[in-house]
Amino acid sequence: DSGVTQTPKHLITATGQRVTLRCSPRSGDLSVYWYQQSLDQGLQFLIQYYNGEERAKGNILERFSAQQFPDLHSELNLSSLELGDSALYFCASSVSLGNKGYTFGSGTRLTVV
Amino acid sequence: GIQVEQSPPDLILQEGANSTLRCNFSDSVNNLQWFHQNPWGQLINLFYIPSGTKQNGRLSATTVATERYSLLYISSSQTTDSGVYFCAVKVADGLTFGKGTHLIIQP
Repeated sequence: DSGVTQTPKHLITATGQRVTLRCSPRSGDLSVYWYQQSLDQGLQFLIQYYNGEERAKGNILERFSAQQFPDLHSELNLSSLELGDSALYFCASSVSLGNKGYTFGSGTRLTVV
Repeated sequence: GIQVEQSPPDLILQEGANSTLRCNFSDSVNNLQWFHQNPWGQLINLFYIPSGTKQNGRLSATTVATERYSLLYISSSQTTDSGVYFCAVKVADGLTFGKGTHLIIQP
């Protein structure tokens, strides 16, 4: 157990739907990052939050949004889902802003049918 | 953006063999990490190594930042070492990952 908890582990949904992925960071970590892993794009950085505030954005689509709550857990919302959004979505956390020593969760496998 | 190239893309070895995985990056970085993704998909952080050399058991890593490359050494390979090894670097925002080296250790 890495200490980073992601739920659910698997999600199957239809095109056009909206889903929410949840992440609880490791105790003491203030930074949360979301990554998408797909066969064609590999691992891609989506977005980073630090202590409740958005700090950096990567290749995140406008249909996707995220937030970090006061208890530091984070949610990634994916809407108007398309077949191409099927992927493994990882959350990672670290103590500081500097991305040192990431710890990844076990991921949420999203299948859009 | 920064480019991260890993080699070889695939590697098949017998148990007990040693291996060297390479990561080249196209720009100066202030953060370089190696990860192992096991066959169940879990990403494990192996090293945070923006420069210098570190060792952890049978694994060691060396980053030569001035020449923009990093090496991951695996000695006395075990079947549990199988999986994909990723190098990831950070310039400004999140980590940029290479495509990985897919390692298969045969008994």
